[in-house]
Amino acid sequence: EPEVTQTPSHQVTQMGQEVILRCVPISNHLYFYWYRQILGQKVEFLVSFYNNEISEKSEIFDDQFSVERPDGSNFTLKIRSTKLEDSAMYFCASRGTSGRTHEQFFGPGTRLTVL
Amino acid sequence: GQSLEQPSEVTAVEGAIVQINCTYQTSGFYGLSWYQQHDGGAPTFLSYNALDGLEETGRFSSFLSRSDSYGYLLLQELQMKDSASYFCAVRVPYSSASKIIFGSGTRLSIRP
Repeated sequence: EPEVTQTPSHQVTQMGQEVILRCVPISNHLYFYWYRQILGQKVEFLVSFYNNEISEKSEIFDDQFSVERPDGSNFTLKIRSTKLEDSAMYFCASRGTSGRTHEQFFGPGTRLTVL
Repeated sequence: GQSLEQPSEVTAVEGAIVQINCTYQTSGFYGLSWYQQHDGGAPTFLSYNALDGLEETGRFSSFLSRSDSYGYLLLQELQMKDSASYFCAVRVPYSSASKIIFGSGTRLSIRP
């Protein structure tokens, strides 16, 4: 069964450093998302991406964040200058355009720890 | 603001039935989803209701009442593997499209 994959599973970085989180969505999906979940808290929407551009972004997704689809398979989230409060689990998700179109498939997540 | 309310914890017995409620206050509404998340895992989609009524998928059912801004997830024949957190999530209009707002989650504990 196709699945969303994310790398790395765990990223540790120093405050102020740039990080890039990588995702490979399901191959025939066209809608892509990033969410974050601070430990013990709810999942929060960051950004959605469609047709090679951001379709929506939340208040959390400020100028420190950017997304890119550098090729036909990868979808990346970049944080330019990490802060302690960026420590969280980051989930990528993708959604198709046929069948259960409201179903978002989540990747296993990348745990980001900012020291 | 926009908010979703669901109980923080529910405990049930293996083999029993449990209902997890969700009420929402949002600016606009497209639909209500339910996701399951095991500790350390990713959310997994369970169901989506855009119209009033009950949707059944195996042991899980989801209900929506748009007039009451209320929905619930019903889990039947509970199994130990159903121990997880369950999130309701509402799709709302946002800018020119939509976004999903998640509730804080209900931790379901199943005891033998």
